[in-house]
Amino acid sequence: DGGITQSPKYLFRKEGQNVTLSCEQNLNHDAMYWYRQDPGQGLRLIYYSQIVNDFQKGDIAEGYSVSREKKESFPLTVTSAQKNPTAFYLCASSIKGLAGGSRDNEQFFGPGTRLTVL
Amino acid sequence: KNEVEQSPQNLTAQEGEFITINCSYSVGISALHWLQQHPGGGIVSLFMLSSGKKKHGRLIATINIQEKHSSLHITASHPRDSAVYICAVRWSGGSNYKLTFGKGTLLTVNP
Repeated sequence: DGGITQSPKYLFRKEGQNVTLSCEQNLNHDAMYWYRQDPGQGLRLIYYSQIVNDFQKGDIAEGYSVSREKKESFPLTVTSAQKNPTAFYLCASSIKGLAGGSRDNEQFFGPGTRLTVL
Repeated sequence: KNEVEQSPQNLTAQEGEFITINCSYSVGISALHWLQQHPGGGIVSLFMLSSGKKKHGRLIATINIQEKHSSLHITASHPRDSAVYICAVRWSGGSNYKLTFGKGTLLTVNP
């Protein structure tokens, strides 16, 4: 079955530690995205990648880093510089990262990782 | 600032009722998405539309471009429809492969 997987589902980390969240897709999608969701707020874009070996900062990139060495993988590292890392993190992908209303840029979401900093 | 507003924030209904969730946005868009998020957190895309109306089973999504407004309707609601429904838009122009999300509407359908 094609889809997006995120692991782990729940993650706990001590303050001051870096942690990496996994996102894998077997949909052969070019574009991938990382979002953060906080209670009472809409999803906010952290980073996105339109193609392998390329990625761009989203609206709240500070304290995060990503890599896109393979088409199917887009890991997110939450660094100790992120002041308020406790949140629900969602990964998404789309066929392309194109402009307009094309079905090629409809985003498909993974199940999410809930990160709690202790 | 480009914004997406959803109403109501919370909605409780009895099984079988007709449900309407609204989404308004501030400037022109190229596409609008309706998403469903279940209590476990995963998100499913329900509709992507840029004009008119789409229907899938008991779900209907409409959009009025001139009024900058979209509605999601659920006919014959069922407890399994209980979820957070999220509206997201892709703005016209600029970096329009990014989505701006509303805060969501929490729907609870009681048996």
